[in-house]
Amino acid sequence: QLVESGGGLVKPGGSLRLSCAASGFSFIDPWMTWVRQAPGKGLEWVGRSRGKKDGGTTAYAAPVKGRFTISRDESKNTVYLLMNSLKTADTAVYYCTTEGLLHLAAMDVWGQGTTVTVSS
Amino acid sequence: EIVLTQSPGTLSLSPGERATLSCRASQSVSSTYLAWYQQKPGQAPRLLIYGASSRATGIPDRFSGSGSGTDFTLTISRLEPEDFAVYYCQQFGSPNTFGQGTKVEIK
Repeated sequence: QLVESGGGLVKPGGSLRLSCAASGFSFIDPWMTWVRQAPGKGLEWVGRSRGKKDGGTTAYAAPVKGRFTISRDESKNTVYLLMNSLKTADTAVYYCTTEGLLHLAAMDVWGQGTTVTVSS
Repeated sequence: EIVLTQSPGTLSLSPGERATLSCRASQSVSSTYLAWYQQKPGQAPRLLIYGASSRATGIPDRFSGSGSGTDFTLTISRLEPEDFAVYYCQQFGSPNTFGQGTKVEIK
């Protein structure tokens, strides 16, 4: 199970940190991914954190690269999405997912999402 | 970046009918890396198909996936009332990309 938190209203240029708490599986190896969905729009991949055995590296979509950072705290079974220099275009529901936990190369466990609104 | 284009944008069908959804990639995608998701209003997406043709855990067998290269298809053999939703294809990569979605609505 994945439970996101930390969403809310923030002004353009501001920062926000989202959390995604995992339970029911070992947190060390799974790849963890963030996906967002703007109001009335489709799904957009934000970025991923690879598992420890795969180097623990991160990758980001072009629109957020340099502004967003994914990290994880294995002791808390939690992955974070730190969002800086927020823009109105970042307004969306943010989902965290596992990637390849149960099904190869697929986003297979999803949280319920947390809403981020960037507005003055 | 691989662009996925889904068609049609909206599919209007009746319960019991067959639904055929298309996903076309801008360049060849390994079948291993093609997945389909279902999303209902107000809910998170749910994985249906991975590896282009393998059903995810708990997915009924009326859902099937096929295709290779640049052309992939999701078929729902007989629509149940709970199948009316938006469906997305997705390719695994860096970056991952999604199609824009196909809405299956009740006719």
